[in-house]
Amino acid sequence: GAGVSQSPSNKVTEKGKDVELRCDPISGHTALYWYRQRLGQGLEFLIYFQGNSAPDKSGLPSDRFSAERTGESVSTLTIQRTQQEDSAVYLCASSPRTGEQYFGPGTRLTVT
Amino acid sequence: RKEVEQDPGPFNVPEGATVAFNCTYSNSASQSFFWYRQDCRKEPKLLMSVYSSGNEDGRFTAQLNRASQYISLLIRDSKLSDSATYLCVVNRQGGKLIFGQGTELSVKP
Repeated sequence: GAGVSQSPSNKVTEKGKDVELRCDPISGHTALYWYRQRLGQGLEFLIYFQGNSAPDKSGLPSDRFSAERTGESVSTLTIQRTQQEDSAVYLCASSPRTGEQYFGPGTRLTVT
Repeated sequence: RKEVEQDPGPFNVPEGATVAFNCTYSNSASQSFFWYRQDCRKEPKLLMSVYSSGNEDGRFTAQLNRASQYISLLIRDSKLSDSATYLCVVNRQGGKLIFGQGTELSVKP
């Protein structure tokens, strides 16, 4: 069956521009997560959704970062006024139950 | 101190070797535990859950010691295809998972 998909797969943007990253979870998975992974580093939790609400936004690094989810399906992560330190792979995962997360292939963001 | 800490690695072992990874977690309220695997430049994938009584899946054995707040993963008869980074993962409460930094394993012919 279809897994988690993310788009775009790669994004190069100039410093100061806004970017929007999209995640399509596995159908029926109620929980959805966003992580950031810098090169050679571990996963950094950003935010998670249960249905369309976000019980935990504690990982969002600054107010330039926001996310939403609609229809208990697609989610978008928006980064405003991108900075070079935002360069990373942004991973989305959906989950049918605690601990079991299925990751998408990620969006590689490069801010020049 | 990180909430989940792992051996930094890398571990370089020959094919057929047995290798063990350790992980400690700091929050005693942690409820469930997992090992994930991440291949180079790929997304993480669930390898196995870790149960209190210990559990085995083929060549892989996971152990949990709640008193010591310690988790381990043992790989027997390692294969070239086992080369990856192994992530120790802990769930406190609710849906959020805490990922360790990972231990890199390289299996050589």
